[in-house]
Amino acid sequence: AQSVTQLDSQVPVFEEAPVELRCNYSSSVSVYLFWYVQYPNQGLQLLLKYLSGSTLVKGINGFEAEFNKSQTSFHLRKPSVHISDTAEYFCAVNQGAQKLVFGQGTRLTINP
Amino acid sequence: SAVISQKPSRDICQRGTSLTIQCQVDSQVTMMFWYRQQPGQSLTLIATANQGSEATYESGFVIDKFPISRPNLTFSTLTVSNMSPEDSSIYLCSVIEGGNEAFFGQGTRLTVV
Repeated sequence: AQSVTQLDSQVPVFEEAPVELRCNYSSSVSVYLFWYVQYPNQGLQLLLKYLSGSTLVKGINGFEAEFNKSQTSFHLRKPSVHISDTAEYFCAVNQGAQKLVFGQGTRLTINP
Repeated sequence: SAVISQKPSRDICQRGTSLTIQCQVDSQVTMMFWYRQQPGQSLTLIATANQGSEATYESGFVIDKFPISRPNLTFSTLTVSNMSPEDSSIYLCSVIEGGNEAFFGQGTRLTVV
């Protein structure tokens, strides 16, 4: 079965600093990869997705992620964060049969 | 993109009772998914609901505890039966469109006292 590992449960960052949230997956076949954001007391919103093609994927709110097949990673980055980016971030992989498997989540906290 | 409405958005329930959560989608979809998000945890798939057949449950979840209905291609319900405080979670409905992208409802925040 496929699995997703988010290496950091919490990431504190100062405002306007860069951030990287790490995600690794296990799969021997082609996968689709996603990053979702969950703001406090809200549902999940898609940030970006990798389906095929360019390995650098740009999403909403200035986020981007790079698919690295050899390292089975899909790390999320933003060059300069804002207070409003404080949220929980989930990496997910499509497990076939249209089911998503989620990582444990990373809580991003932006400090002024 | 699919728009998903979930009701109720939150509820506080007494242990031993049951709560039915409704999920309405603005387009017809083959499969609907129900997830549980326990406090401070990630999302865990409870079951996949197909229209016209019984839901498919993931390991650790059973129909007696989480009965699901799927009467048509735009609607599904999840019931949390005989609740205990351990059932306190956010329950989310989801659909997949375009073969890949998942959309989620806002979730139902359940507290069992």
